Amino acid sequence: EVLLLESGGDLVQPGGSLGLSCAASGFTFSDFAMSWVRQAPGKGLEWVSHITSNSGTTYYADSVRGRFTISRDNPKNILYLHMTNLRAEDTAVYFCVQRSKDYYFDSWGQGTLVTVSS
Amino acid sequence: EIVLTQSPATLSVSPGDRATLSCRASQSVGPYLAWYQQKPGQAPRLLIHGASTRATGIPARFSGSGSGTEFTLTISSLQSEDFALYYCLQYHTWPPWTFGQGTKVEIK
Repeated sequence: EVLLLESGGDLVQPGGSLGLSCAASGFTFSDFAMSWVRQAPGKGLEWVSHITSNSGTTYYADSVRGRFTISRDNPKNILYLHMTNLRAEDTAVYFCVQRSKDYYFDSWGQGTLVTVSS
Repeated sequence: EIVLTQSPATLSVSPGDRATLSCRASQSVGPYLAWYQQKPGQAPRLLIHGASTRATGIPARFSGSGSGTEFTLTISSLQSEDFALYYCLQYHTWPPWTFGQGTKVEIK
């Protein structure tokens, strides 16, 4: 069974930084590309960032490019998202998501809440 | 960026009835469309990929159809556990992957 467990969500002030982690198990982590998807309170789903299986390529939504950095540690089976210069509009639950070999989002973690507020 | 528009925003259905949800793409996405179910406080769950292929463990009352720009998710006979939010996702052209804004299926 695929398990994705996010951590690191917290209350942070505007302009601050925060790092999220996602511990993966139940599959060969190094074989799969991964993404972060977020959901603001009461809102829909928004893709944030993506990293290929070998970290060779990363992608970012326009709303976070230049502020967020995605990375992974394949030997440790961990996905990361480092967020800087946080804004109120970054407030959301952040989900770690396994991308299938056919490019859709397959398994999701339970999410971790990031709140940006003074 | 491909925009997905879901309709209706809210669908009121009685248990046992059929529910039909729509997802329209701003340009063709071929068959590269997925559907997700989300309940309050939970992560989305994959229901359908490839427009019509049920994911592992998804009951047969869930079916998907369509291609190009028009897609439909049908729940043939609504059970109590099916009242939830439903999102479509296109994965034809990425980045970005884009979602519809969601349809809430509520009890009539």
